[in-house]
Amino acid sequence: DAKTTQPNSMESNEEEPVHLPCNHSTISGTDYIHWYRQLPSQGPEYVIHGLTSNVNNRMASLAIAEDRKSSTLILHRATLRDAAVYYCIPGDMRFGAGTRLTVKP
Amino acid sequence: ETGVTQTPRHLVMGMTNKKSLKCEQHLGHNAMYWYKQSAKKPLELMFVYNFKEQTENNSVPSRFSPECPNSSHLFLHLHTLQPEDSALYLCASSQGTPLVDEQYFGPGTRLTVT
Repeated sequence: DAKTTQPNSMESNEEEPVHLPCNHSTISGTDYIHWYRQLPSQGPEYVIHGLTSNVNNRMASLAIAEDRKSSTLILHRATLRDAAVYYCIPGDMRFGAGTRLTVKP
Repeated sequence: ETGVTQTPRHLVMGMTNKKSLKCEQHLGHNAMYWYKQSAKKPLELMFVYNFKEQTENNSVPSRFSPECPNSSHLFLHLHTLQPEDSALYLCASSQGTPLVDEQYFGPGTRLTVT
Protein backbone atom coordinates (compact mmCIF):
# COMPACT_ATOMS: atom_id res chain seq x y z
CA ASP A 1 0.00 0.00 0.00
CA ALA A 2 1.19 3.51 -0.80
CA LYS A 3 2.13 5.58 2.26
CA THR A 4 0.31 8.91 2.39
CA THR A 5 1.25 12.15 4.13
CA GLN A 6 -1.21 15.03 4.53
CA PRO A 7 -1.18 18.02 6.87
CA ASN A 8 -3.36 17.40 9.92
CA SER A 9 -5.23 20.66 9.47
CA MET A 10 -5.49 23.73 7.28
CA GLU A 11 -7.41 26.98 7.41
CA SER A 12 -8.84 29.06 4.63
CA ASN A 13 -10.88 32.20 4.25
CA GLU A 14 -14.22 32.03 2.54
CA GLU A 15 -14.17 32.63 -1.22
CA GLU A 16 -10.41 32.15 -1.43
CA PRO A 17 -8.72 29.23 -3.20
CA VAL A 18 -7.45 26.31 -1.13
CA HIS A 19 -4.62 23.99 -2.05
CA LEU A 20 -4.59 20.74 -0.12
CA PRO A 21 -1.32 18.83 -0.56
CA CYS A 22 -0.70 15.11 -0.39
CA ASN A 23 2.54 13.14 -0.63
CA HIS A 24 2.36 9.53 -1.80
CA SER A 25 5.95 8.77 -2.66
CA THR A 26 5.50 4.97 -2.77
CA ILE A 27 2.57 4.98 -5.17
CA SER A 28 2.64 2.29 -7.84
CA GLY A 29 2.33 3.04 -11.52
CA THR A 30 -1.22 1.78 -11.82
CA ASP A 31 -2.69 3.30 -8.65
CA TYR A 32 -5.34 5.95 -9.07
CA ILE A 33 -5.29 8.89 -6.66
CA HIS A 34 -8.67 9.45 -5.07
CA TRP A 35 -9.84 12.35 -2.94
CA TYR A 36 -12.83 12.10 -0.65
CA ARG A 37 -14.13 14.43 1.99
CA GLN A 38 -16.20 13.86 5.09
CA LEU A 39 -18.46 16.54 6.47
CA PRO A 40 -19.42 16.39 10.14
CA SER A 41 -21.88 13.59 10.94
CA GLN A 42 -21.90 12.29 7.37
CA GLY A 43 -20.32 9.49 5.40
CA PRO A 44 -17.41 10.30 3.08
CA GLU A 45 -18.19 11.97 -0.22
CA TYR A 46 -16.27 11.47 -3.46
CA VAL A 47 -14.49 14.60 -4.67
CA ILE A 48 -12.26 13.66 -7.59
CA HIS A 49 -9.76 11.09 -8.84
CA GLY A 50 -7.01 10.85 -11.43
CA LEU A 51 -4.13 8.75 -12.67
CA THR A 52 -1.56 10.93 -14.42
CA SER A 53 -3.17 14.00 -15.94
CA ASN A 54 -4.66 16.90 -14.08
CA VAL A 55 -8.41 16.57 -13.64
CA ASN A 56 -11.24 19.04 -13.20
CA ASN A 57 -14.84 18.59 -12.16
CA ARG A 58 -17.57 20.76 -10.73
CA MET A 59 -16.26 20.36 -7.19
CA ALA A 60 -12.51 20.73 -7.53
CA SER A 61 -9.35 20.31 -9.55
CA LEU A 62 -6.66 17.72 -9.01
CA ALA A 63 -3.07 18.51 -9.91
CA ILE A 64 -0.81 15.47 -10.10
CA ALA A 65 2.95 15.83 -10.07
CA GLU A 66 4.78 14.48 -13.09
CA ASP A 67 6.47 11.80 -10.99
CA ARG A 68 3.11 11.04 -9.32
CA LYS A 69 4.66 11.17 -5.88
CA SER A 70 2.44 14.03 -4.83
CA SER A 71 -0.86 15.63 -5.71
CA THR A 72 -2.79 18.74 -4.77
CA LEU A 73 -6.53 19.14 -4.44
CA ILE A 74 -7.64 22.63 -5.40
CA LEU A 75 -10.88 24.17 -4.24
CA HIS A 76 -11.17 27.27 -6.36
CA ARG A 77 -13.40 29.27 -4.02
CA ALA A 78 -13.85 27.84 -0.56
CA THR A 79 -17.28 28.11 1.04
CA LEU A 80 -18.34 27.39 4.59
CA ARG A 81 -19.87 24.15 3.30
CA ASP A 82 -16.40 22.96 2.26
CA ALA A 83 -15.32 22.62 5.89
CA ALA A 84 -14.57 18.92 6.20
CA VAL A 85 -11.86 16.30 6.55
CA TYR A 86 -10.23 15.71 3.16
CA TYR A 87 -8.72 12.31 2.43
CA CYS A 88 -6.11 11.62 -0.22
CA ILE A 89 -6.11 7.92 -1.14
CA PRO A 90 -3.59 6.51 -3.56
CA GLY A 91 -4.47 2.96 -4.52
CA ASP A 92 -7.12 0.80 -2.99
CA MET A 93 -9.15 2.87 -0.52
CA ARG A 94 -6.97 2.78 2.58
CA PHE A 95 -8.03 5.96 4.35
CA GLY A 96 -5.53 7.89 6.43
CA ALA A 97 -6.19 10.61 8.98
CA GLY A 98 -6.79 13.23 6.30
CA THR A 99 -6.61 17.03 6.51
CA ARG A 100 -9.21 18.89 8.52
CA LEU A 101 -10.10 22.05 6.57
CA THR A 102 -11.57 24.97 8.46
CA VAL A 103 -13.13 27.78 6.43
CA LYS A 104 -13.41 31.16 8.09
CA PRO A 105 -16.08 33.67 7.07
CA GLU B 1 -28.21 12.10 -1.34
CA THR B 2 -30.39 9.02 -0.74
CA GLY B 3 -28.62 6.66 -3.14
CA VAL B 4 -27.28 4.51 -0.29
CA THR B 5 -29.42 3.97 2.78
CA GLN B 6 -28.49 2.30 6.04
CA THR B 7 -30.64 1.04 8.87
CA PRO B 8 -30.72 1.43 11.74
CA ARG B 9 -28.97 4.77 12.12
CA HIS B 10 -28.22 4.09 15.78
CA LEU B 11 -27.91 0.78 17.62
CA VAL B 12 -27.07 -0.10 21.20
CA MET B 13 -26.44 -3.76 21.91
CA GLY B 14 -25.08 -5.90 24.68
CA MET B 15 -22.12 -8.21 24.21
CA THR B 16 -24.34 -11.29 24.09
CA ASN B 17 -26.84 -9.91 21.58
CA LYS B 18 -27.17 -10.70 17.89
CA LYS B 19 -28.10 -7.87 15.56
CA SER B 20 -27.82 -7.02 11.87
CA LEU B 21 -27.02 -3.84 9.99
CA LYS B 22 -28.67 -3.31 6.64
CA CYS B 23 -27.49 -1.38 3.61
CA GLU B 24 -29.39 -0.79 0.38
CA GLN B 25 -28.21 1.02 -2.72
CA HIS B 26 -30.57 2.39 -5.34
CA LEU B 27 -27.87 3.28 -7.88
CA GLY B 28 -27.61 0.06 -9.89
CA HIS B 29 -24.02 -0.47 -8.74
CA ASN B 30 -22.29 -3.84 -8.78
CA ALA B 31 -19.88 -3.42 -5.85
CA MET B 32 -20.66 -2.87 -2.18
CA TYR B 33 -18.43 -2.27 0.82
CA TRP B 34 -18.42 -2.21 4.62
CA TYR B 35 -16.17 0.25 6.47
CA LYS B 36 -15.59 0.85 10.16
CA GLN B 37 -14.83 4.30 11.57
CA SER B 38 -13.72 4.33 15.20
CA ALA B 39 -13.10 7.46 17.19
CA LYS B 40 -9.62 8.86 16.54
CA LYS B 41 -8.78 6.16 13.97
CA PRO B 42 -8.82 6.25 10.18
CA LEU B 43 -11.67 4.71 8.25
CA GLU B 44 -10.99 0.97 7.84
CA LEU B 45 -12.15 -1.12 4.90
CA MET B 46 -13.73 -4.35 6.18
CA PHE B 47 -15.32 -6.22 3.27
CA VAL B 48 -15.76 -5.85 -0.47
CA TYR B 49 -18.44 -7.53 -2.59
CA ASN B 50 -18.61 -7.51 -6.36
CA PHE B 51 -21.70 -8.95 -8.08
CA LYS B 52 -22.66 -10.60 -4.75
CA GLU B 53 -19.30 -12.34 -4.36
CA GLN B 54 -16.95 -11.40 -1.54
CA THR B 55 -13.67 -10.26 -3.03
CA GLU B 56 -11.96 -8.86 0.03
CA ASN B 57 -11.95 -9.52 3.77
CA ASN B 58 -9.43 -7.40 5.63
CA SER B 59 -8.76 -9.77 8.52
CA VAL B 60 -12.06 -8.93 10.14
CA PRO B 61 -12.94 -11.01 13.25
CA SER B 62 -15.54 -13.68 12.68
CA ARG B 63 -17.99 -11.97 15.06
CA PHE B 64 -18.70 -9.76 12.02
CA SER B 65 -20.43 -11.76 9.30
CA PRO B 66 -21.35 -10.07 6.02
CA GLU B 67 -24.07 -11.19 3.65
CA CYS B 68 -24.80 -9.95 0.14
CA PRO B 69 -27.97 -11.59 -1.23
CA ASN B 70 -27.99 -9.40 -4.35
CA SER B 71 -26.12 -6.42 -5.76
CA SER B 72 -28.48 -3.95 -4.10
CA HIS B 73 -28.41 -5.24 -0.53
CA LEU B 74 -25.65 -5.78 1.98
CA PHE B 75 -25.94 -6.93 5.57
CA LEU B 76 -23.52 -7.07 8.45
CA HIS B 77 -24.50 -9.64 11.06
CA LEU B 78 -23.12 -8.98 14.51
CA HIS B 79 -22.75 -11.42 17.41
CA THR B 80 -20.83 -11.49 20.68
CA LEU B 81 -19.30 -8.11 20.03
CA GLN B 82 -16.84 -6.34 22.32
CA PRO B 83 -17.01 -2.76 23.61
CA GLU B 84 -14.09 -1.85 21.32
CA ASP B 85 -16.34 -2.68 18.35
CA SER B 86 -18.33 0.46 19.10
CA ALA B 87 -17.94 2.64 16.02
CA LEU B 88 -19.65 4.15 13.00
CA TYR B 89 -20.22 1.45 10.38
CA LEU B 90 -20.42 2.79 6.86
CA CYS B 91 -21.68 1.11 3.73
CA ALA B 92 -20.69 2.20 0.24
CA SER B 93 -21.32 1.15 -3.34
CA SER B 94 -19.67 1.72 -6.69
CA GLN B 95 -20.03 0.90 -10.36
CA GLY B 96 -17.30 -0.71 -12.42
CA THR B 97 -14.04 -1.85 -10.92
CA PRO B 98 -14.17 -2.24 -7.13
CA LEU B 99 -11.86 0.07 -5.19
CA VAL B 100 -11.07 2.05 -8.34
CA ASP B 101 -14.25 3.83 -9.31
CA GLU B 102 -16.14 6.47 -7.37
CA GLN B 103 -17.80 5.18 -4.21
CA TYR B 104 -21.04 6.46 -2.77
CA PHE B 105 -21.35 6.21 0.99
CA GLY B 106 -24.39 5.85 3.19
CA PRO B 107 -24.87 7.90 6.37
CA GLY B 108 -23.66 5.08 8.61
CA THR B 109 -24.93 3.18 11.63
CA ARG B 110 -23.63 4.41 14.97
CA LEU B 111 -23.10 1.22 17.03
CA THR B 112 -22.55 1.17 20.76
CA VAL B 113 -21.67 -2.11 22.46
CA THR B 114 -22.32 -2.16 26.20
